[in-house]
Amino acid sequence: KAGVTQTPRYLIKTRGQQVTLSCSPISGHRSVSWYQQTPGQGLQFLFEYFSETQRNKGNFPGRFSGRQFSNSRSEMNVSTLELGDSALYLCASGWGPSGNTIYFGEGSWLTVV
Amino acid sequence: KQEVTQIPAALSVPEGENLVLNCSFTDSAIYNLQWFRQDPGKGLTSLLLIQSSQREQTSGRLNASLDKSSGRSTLYIAASQPGDSATYLCAVSPNSGGSNYKLTFGKGTLLTVNP
Repeated sequence: KAGVTQTPRYLIKTRGQQVTLSCSPISGHRSVSWYQQTPGQGLQFLFEYFSETQRNKGNFPGRFSGRQFSNSRSEMNVSTLELGDSALYLCASGWGPSGNTIYFGEGSWLTVV
Repeated sequence: KQEVTQIPAALSVPEGENLVLNCSFTDSAIYNLQWFRQDPGKGLTSLLLIQSSQREQTSGRLNASLDKSSGRSTLYIAASQPGDSATYLCAVSPNSGGSNYKLTFGKGTLLTVNP
């Protein structure tokens, strides 16, 4: 079956703009989580959603937001982009609210210039 | 605040060697611990998951152990191959809420296996 799909894979934005990233989980998975990966900070947790409800949120400013739709697809949005937002954004999905193995997508590479 | 440390940061070994990667965490109140592999420019692939009540898990040439009381885990790779070259990441999930998805990651160990 298809894995976790993230779009777009690569994008370049200008400081001050906003960006929306999309994640389609594995069919049947209802949990989606988002992570930011940078060379300096490594992987950091952004959000976690289950059945359209945000269950957990990481320590990121309010410019970072997300949502999950009834079909379990998720989007995250970053407003007023800063250079430091340049990163690989990874989405992961799982079956239940406290499931076991989680599956990561290949990520969206965001460059802010 | 949970902190995860991985040692060494990088490791280069000849093909066929057995090796151990180390992971330590500061808060023993974890739900589970996972080891992931990341190839350059790619997402993460889950290798092994150890529940907090377990001591070890095995998959093929990989064996992961967990000592929750001391806050340590090791990933043992037997008979390493060039295809094992990747970054290996350790991650823990908090006990509160029992969520598997709010992971705290280490910075990873970059493994190079030379033919």
